[in-house]
Amino acid sequence: NAGVTQTPKFQVLKTGQSMTLQCAQDMNHEYMSWYRQDPGMGLRLIHYSVGAGITDQGEVPNGYNVSRSTTEDFPLRLLSAAPSQTSVYFCASSRRTEMNTEAFFGQGTRLTVV
Amino acid sequence: AQSVAQPEDQVNVAEGNPLTVKCTYSVSGNPYLFWYVQYPNRGLQFLLKYITGDNLVKGSYGFEAEFNKSQTSFHLKKPSALVSDSALYFCAVRPRLYNQGGKLIFGQGTELSVKP
Repeated sequence: NAGVTQTPKFQVLKTGQSMTLQCAQDMNHEYMSWYRQDPGMGLRLIHYSVGAGITDQGEVPNGYNVSRSTTEDFPLRLLSAAPSQTSVYFCASSRRTEMNTEAFFGQGTRLTVV
Repeated sequence: AQSVAQPEDQVNVAEGNPLTVKCTYSVSGNPYLFWYVQYPNRGLQFLLKYITGDNLVKGSYGFEAEFNKSQTSFHLKKPSALVSDSALYFCAVRPRLYNQGGKLIFGQGTELSVKP
């Protein structure tokens, strides 16, 4: 059981480049979300999804796009990378049911924009 | 605005002593409450949660947390700290509404350092 898998683990981009961070989960979770982690700021929500075909913006959505065509996958696209997007990105998934609310996180993608 | 506060950036404890990591929140309704731990260069691992019922919840690795509704707090505790408990700890809150999609609101994190 792989849980939540993120690729790549590390990435260096030049300003203006685009890329997609991949996230896949094999637990049939309804909910998926993307966070970025910056020192002293905790994790901040970028985008989230309640199910296939449904996405919504979180706290810091600017510069990022998402789509959810299947239950398993939730890719995050950086449209035109900026140095301010240098961060560690985490994908998470969770169940909708009350008794199984805890989120499972991927290992993260460390992105540097130069 | 909804928020979670962890008032201490760092907590230092001697091995064998009790530890407390504090968390307060300002989120409407009766949210779900969580603690996660992060070891260096790793993802977040779930420690424990409060859904309903008993205000003292027990979780992994001997950790427990006390929910106080009147103070909107959810402090993490352990009776006897281990050096291996040294890590970054996050308090998180999840609104109960379906359309919130399981999104979590995080505190800024508290670095726990346990010295031998």
